[in-house]
Amino acid sequence: GAVVSQHPSRVICKSGTSVKIECRSLDFQATTMFWYRQFPKQSLMLMATSNEGSKATYEQGVEKDKFLINHASLTLSTLTVTSAHPEDSSFYICSGYKTGSTDTQYFGPGTRLTVL
Amino acid sequence: AQSVTQLDSHVSVSEGTPVLLRCNYSSSYSPSLFWYVQHPNKGLQLLLKYTSAATLVKGINGFEAEFKKSETSFHLTKPSAHMSDAAEYFCALSGGYNKLIFGAGTRLAVHP
Repeated sequence: GAVVSQHPSRVICKSGTSVKIECRSLDFQATTMFWYRQFPKQSLMLMATSNEGSKATYEQGVEKDKFLINHASLTLSTLTVTSAHPEDSSFYICSGYKTGSTDTQYFGPGTRLTVL
Repeated sequence: AQSVTQLDSHVSVSEGTPVLLRCNYSSSYSPSLFWYVQHPNKGLQLLLKYTSAATLVKGINGFEAEFKKSETSFHLTKPSAHMSDAAEYFCALSGGYNKLIFGAGTRLAVHP
């Protein structure tokens, strides 16, 4: 199999605080991981591509200083939403490719962020 | 430019009847195409993928899709809907830099 986990599954925070979301590949190594954002009843919007050991590549319009991505190992990528505001409330989903393969992305279960 | 268009935002069927979810794509080269399913507040699960082998692709849970280059389509079908099929379905295209380009999604409702 190819299982991706995310932690936490749900988080509620106050405006102005920072929140870290973890994405782990449990049974495979992922050189490349992706972070998506999904608004209610909408499709997934790619935020950034995370490569192990290097800086993330952000999509146009995504603030890299606000959404900090770290991919320190082949099984873990983290997304930190800094100084969160209510408009950052969303469903965040990560995915990864198995190292050496770009055939299929495997997705995590998502993290629901609510900023009060 | 590459793009994916899901032609129906909502599809409603009765249990036991066929399902058809439509997807058209635009790509300047032979694409890899995917169908994912998302249940409420869950991540995406891969149903099936086309990667230039057989044009009729069989996936999990009885779903299949046919790649038609002449029509630039990759429609998802299932002969008989089950209540558990109710979910959001996304068609996706593998774009540059191994990124996925998603369609807007189709919400499938299944009625008893």
